[in-house]
Amino acid sequence: DAGVIQSPRHEVTEMGQEVTLRCKPISGHDYLFWYRQTMMRGLELLIYFNNNVPIDDSGMPEDRFSAKMPNASFSTLKIQPSEPRDSAVYFCASSDSRSTEAFFGQGTRLTVV
Amino acid sequence: AQSVTQLGSHVSVSEGALVLLRCNYSSSVPPYLFWYVQYPNQGLQLLLKYTTGATLVKGINGFEAEFKKSETSFHLTKPSAHMSDAAEYFCAVSANDYKLSFGAGTTVTVRA
Repeated sequence: DAGVIQSPRHEVTEMGQEVTLRCKPISGHDYLFWYRQTMMRGLELLIYFNNNVPIDDSGMPEDRFSAKMPNASFSTLKIQPSEPRDSAVYFCASSDSRSTEAFFGQGTRLTVV
Repeated sequence: AQSVTQLGSHVSVSEGALVLLRCNYSSSVPPYLFWYVQYPNQGLQLLLKYTTGATLVKGINGFEAEFKKSETSFHLTKPSAHMSDAAEYFCAVSANDYKLSFGAGTTVTVRA
């Protein structure tokens, strides 16, 4: 398996624009997580899904953020409108309910100017 | 609720010396504990984990960690540092709800 695949790896956008980050989890994994990493706040869990259903979105910072998982092999994290303070590295991770290990993608580095 | 405190944001060691990274946790239920490593511009990779059973766990790349319930600690060690160990290390805790709470991370530099 190729692991968790995120796209794009880098994104530079202007303030006010919509940004969509994409994630393909490992095949067969039933949990999917979105994390954000910043210097100030470290690694934060934004939202996670189980069997494509959002379980806990308490980490989503504002209504500008939304996440979907239309099927077991794809998830998106959308920011609309984007702001400079959203600049961060966003990680997607997936895991199997039979294991406690989460596998991380390589992340998307988002810069909002 | 679960939380993790990593003592020391930066650790510098000589090649061949002991690596010791400190992690203390807080958990309202029996914790699952993890150490992850992050190389520059990469995602996080699991080094080792403790769930139940033996309190001394061995991971990849020669790392090991010991779960000490009485001290609420899960410190990471490696007897002999290698240049390739230079990276950022994260301790994390979970209540077996698959949600990870991470520490702030410790950056390790290895001196030749």
